[in-house]
Amino acid sequence: QQQVKQSPQSLIVQKGGISIINCAYENTAFDYFPWYQQFPGKGPALLIAIRPDVSEKKEGRFTISFNKSAKQFSLHIMDSQPGDSATYFCAALRYNFNKFYFGSGTKLNVKP
Amino acid sequence: NAGVMQNPRHLVRRRGQEARLRCSPMKGHSHVYWYRQLPEEGLKFMVYLQKENIIDESGMPKERFSAEFPKEGPSILRIQQVVRGDSAAYFCASSTAGTGGNTIYFGEGSWLTVV
Repeated sequence: QQQVKQSPQSLIVQKGGISIINCAYENTAFDYFPWYQQFPGKGPALLIAIRPDVSEKKEGRFTISFNKSAKQFSLHIMDSQPGDSATYFCAALRYNFNKFYFGSGTKLNVKP
Repeated sequence: NAGVMQNPRHLVRRRGQEARLRCSPMKGHSHVYWYRQLPEEGLKFMVYLQKENIIDESGMPKERFSAEFPKEGPSILRIQQVVRGDSAAYFCASSTAGTGGNTIYFGEGSWLTVV
């Protein structure tokens, strides 16, 4: 059973546009939701994270929106740049448990 | 994530050989996690270790795979008698404590190719 479902699988956005990646989770006990960015040949790097007691978190051009009742969260990349082209993974974690459950990833391509 | 050191970065093994992947966590981190990433797929949890203890190995295949994190030295992920299906990127991550409220930081990965 896939605990975290991510969409779309791939995304093409023009430079300056908004990139939106969505994730849905099953387990209401999850209480930490990070997003990771991965460039080809590199390890995933933490981008931004949110806890379910807030509905939105913003860091620079990156924003997480969180809808607890719908069990969904999304990553918005404003003013997308070619340098943002990477694979993005959402993840979910249950407090004091040790497994991060990752989405299947979204390959973002920002066209210049 | 540059603080988590993995080696080798790339490893080629023939079917039936053994692969050993090493991971040194970030300074001050005592918790290590191993994840596997198949081409064009997400990250799958394999095992979570603290020094000298395996805490959660629910993601490890039952045969041929083992992991350790000794008191001294790096964590080792060992794959015996490799098969083509073992070809993947293996990522190590570390954290300061258990994941209760703490995030994990990934290394650059070890890419295993079985020929």
